Amino acid sequence: AQKVTQAQTEISVVEKEDVTLDCVYETRDTTYYLFWYKQPPSGELVFLIRRNSFDEQNEISGRYSWNFQKSTSSFNFTITASQVVDSAVYFCALSEGTSGTYKYIFGTGTRLKVLA
Amino acid sequence: DGGITQSPKYLFRKEGQNVTLSCEQNLNHDAMYWYRQDPGQGLRLIYYSQIVNDFQKGDIAEGYSVSREKKESFPLTVTSAQKNPTAFYLCASSISQAVNTEAFFGQGTRLTVV
Repeated sequence: AQKVTQAQTEISVVEKEDVTLDCVYETRDTTYYLFWYKQPPSGELVFLIRRNSFDEQNEISGRYSWNFQKSTSSFNFTITASQVVDSAVYFCALSEGTSGTYKYIFGTGTRLKVLA
Repeated sequence: DGGITQSPKYLFRKEGQNVTLSCEQNLNHDAMYWYRQDPGQGLRLIYYSQIVNDFQKGDIAEGYSVSREKKESFPLTVTSAQKNPTAFYLCASSISQAVNTEAFFGQGTRLTVV
């Protein structure tokens, strides 16, 4: 069965610290996509990244980086030099096709608090 | 600006009443979704629609109903049969369920039963 596990419920760091949010997924499909979303206090989920199962290259976007490892079924997210504005709930999600229809399966989220 | 609009932002319902949450998108997306968010439980799929006049139950559809009469609109009705409706409800859309792209979300409706 498809499943996304975010074991870290809440993380607190001091500004400028680096922080890694863990995501472990389960799927039987060989073709799937992984996503990270940010949910600020306003409530709307903001898309951060999409990665397909055939591309294991790490990605860096400014202070954000993602480490995808199929061998451990993980798609971890690192924020370098964290800032107070990074405080939010972060969701990892999996999408796989069943009969050509894609649905998103979300983890339970990790609440990140960055303290000034 | 293109996006998804949910209304109202806050909604209070008396026990035994039905309420309808609005979701409108102007992104020309075919697929639309309703999720429920409870503390510590992430997002759970209520209903989804791949195309106008078609929709399917998600993982927790009991006590909810939807319609998709127009491409841009996907309202969710929380019926009196929903035993614990107090939650944060998020509407989302994506280009198509046949294409694997990211979903775009509205700002949510917080429903409270009083």
